[in-house]
Amino acid sequence: GENVEQHPSTLSVQEGDSAVIKCTYSDSASNYFPWYKQELGKRPQLIIDIRSNVGEKKDQRIAVTLNKTAKHFSLHITETQPEDSAVYFCAASLGTGGFKTIFGAGTRLFVKA
Amino acid sequence: GAGVSQSPSNKVTEKGKDVELRCDPISGHTALYWYRQSLGQGLEFLIYFQGNSAPDKSGLPSDRFSAERTGGSVSTLTIQRTQQEDSAVYLCASSSRAVGQPQHFGDGTRLSIL
Repeated sequence: GENVEQHPSTLSVQEGDSAVIKCTYSDSASNYFPWYKQELGKRPQLIIDIRSNVGEKKDQRIAVTLNKTAKHFSLHITETQPEDSAVYFCAASLGTGGFKTIFGAGTRLFVKA
Repeated sequence: GAGVSQSPSNKVTEKGKDVELRCDPISGHTALYWYRQSLGQGLEFLIYFQGNSAPDKSGLPSDRFSAERTGGSVSTLTIQRTQQEDSAVYLCASSSRAVGQPQHFGDGTRLSIL
């Protein structure tokens, strides 16, 4: 079955710096890769997603890149702000057959003011 | 419109008791997922339902766990003979269809087994 590895588990950056979180997946049939942000005590919320037919997607300060050959994808946050502090989860989902979504273990991001 | 609703928000029970957790998905969403999140940990897949298809139960940790989805809408996750290691937040999510669509999460049920 699908397995998703996420690194680093903890990331601390200075306000204004960039943050990068990386994930790898095992099942080459996976074709949908969402990223979720979970603030303390809150529900996970989608921040960006990418499908396997594109290599990069941007939304303001957030971007995601996908390398299907290497089976890895990354989240990039530029000009980080204290409110970006949260746990970020990557996930991989098969688009056909099995629809199960497997999540990475999460990255706890601290943005220091 | 209304989001995913879960009840109860908190549940404290004694070891050995059965518990039922409820999830009311967004209206019209055909896919429904249950996850378990232990303190400070990631999201552990438990089960998902898609329309009238047989559910994928491959994530259920033991036969004490079961789930139903009645009428393609509300779902109930049941844990029988609860153990202390069952203590966690149980999250439900729904999506408009299972293929390549984002999941919308509820606030979860925090389950504590004494």
